Amino acid sequence: DQQVKQNSPSLSVQEGRISILNCDYTNSMFDYFLWYKKYPAEGPTFLISISSIKDKNEDGRFTVFLNKSAKHLSLHIVPSQPGDSAVYFCAASESYNAGNMLTFGGGTRLMVKP
Amino acid sequence: EAQVTQNPRYLITVTGKKLTVTCSQNMNHEYMSWYRQDPGLGLRQIYYSMNVEVTDKGDVPEGYKVSRKEKRNFPLILESPSPNQTSLYFCASSGGRVRNSPLHFGNGTRLTVT
Repeated sequence: DQQVKQNSPSLSVQEGRISILNCDYTNSMFDYFLWYKKYPAEGPTFLISISSIKDKNEDGRFTVFLNKSAKHLSLHIVPSQPGDSAVYFCAASESYNAGNMLTFGGGTRLMVKP
Repeated sequence: EAQVTQNPRYLITVTGKKLTVTCSQNMNHEYMSWYRQDPGLGLRQIYYSMNVEVTDKGDVPEGYKVSRKEKRNFPLILESPSPNQTSLYFCASSGGRVRNSPLHFGNGTRLTVT
């Protein structure tokens, strides 16, 4: 069973509006969360992260919110731009995971229309 | 330029024919890892290496081998490929724990096993 889930395979948003990408997790041991962005024919690139001691982290147009009680995090992009069109992966890790492993969600394809 | 380089980018092979996918990083990272990406499943870790001569299994290691004889290289070996190993493979490296040093990914190798 997947421990990290992104229930929306795709999302379409108009340029200038807000994009909200959601992610749910089941493992209560996860304490660090990341978002990666992936363009076609390229590897994922790190976007933004949040520790479980926080409930919000902001970096320019990107903000990640964490709701630990609901085991839910979301990525907000404001305003959305056509260059944001990509697949976004949510990922989680545990402090004591010896393999430094990230557990990834299935991804959400964001399309920002001009 | 700091990068993770994988070769080849595309590979089509037949069942049972041994193959190697190479991975090299120029960032002097101690940690390297292999992931496979499948539709709806996100990225799943195959093997990882914390340092030279130190390797261990990830989430889905069956049918794969790795070696870490030098710090910069981390090849993925499929001794007897099967069709269920058809996937998109990513090599990644990191300078430390993912919460302090996010993973850097290569551009991927698309493998088809017929």
